[in-house]
Amino acid sequence: EAEVAQSPRYKITEKSQAVAFWCDPISGHATLYWYRQILGQGPELLVQFQDESVVDDSQLPKDRFSAERLKGVDSTLKIQPAELGDSAMYLCASSLDAWTSGRLSQETQYFGPGTRLLVL
Amino acid sequence: ELKVEQNPLFLSMQEGKNYTIYCNYSTTSDRLYWYRQDPGKSLESLFVLLSNGAVKQEGRLMASLDTKARLSTLHITAAVHDLSATYFCAVDMFPRLTFGEGTQLTVNP
Repeated sequence: EAEVAQSPRYKITEKSQAVAFWCDPISGHATLYWYRQILGQGPELLVQFQDESVVDDSQLPKDRFSAERLKGVDSTLKIQPAELGDSAMYLCASSLDAWTSGRLSQETQYFGPGTRLLVL
Repeated sequence: ELKVEQNPLFLSMQEGKNYTIYCNYSTTSDRLYWYRQDPGKSLESLFVLLSNGAVKQEGRLMASLDTKARLSTLHITAAVHDLSATYFCAVDMFPRLTFGEGTQLTVNP
């Protein structure tokens, strides 16, 4: 069964360092999402890609976070510099797309195993 | 403001009992998802509800959607320990999916 792949699974870093996370979506899924999940809360969308284009990055802290999906397949999320408050689980998800009622809507999102980040 | 509220946030129940988790949302939507998350793990898709009155069932879990009331329920029948996890509802509030806070379910023997 196809799965979303993420690496690394765990990352410990010191504040002010740079970190990067990688995601490979399910083959054929045009839409890719990066979420941040703080312990005890629901996931919060950071950025959404449709193929290689950013669709929604309104909740991405752009002063320190960046994301790219250059060839429209795998994606990288970077934090530079990391801060203590960035400690969280970073989840990648992907979905097929469908046109519903004249607008593009996403089908079920399938999540990867996540990268647990600890900033010391 | 886009809000998704789950109730209760914590639920401790005995094996064999029934209970319902509620998910209320603040704006019009006709697409709602339920996910399960085990501790330290990722999210697993349980149900997608696509229209008013939709009902889906899988094993001891049944989900329903009332778009007019902006309410979804996840009903647990005859709970077993394996159902212990955190359950999230997520509502398609264009342009993004908005998740509830999650309901942490513990099923005790």
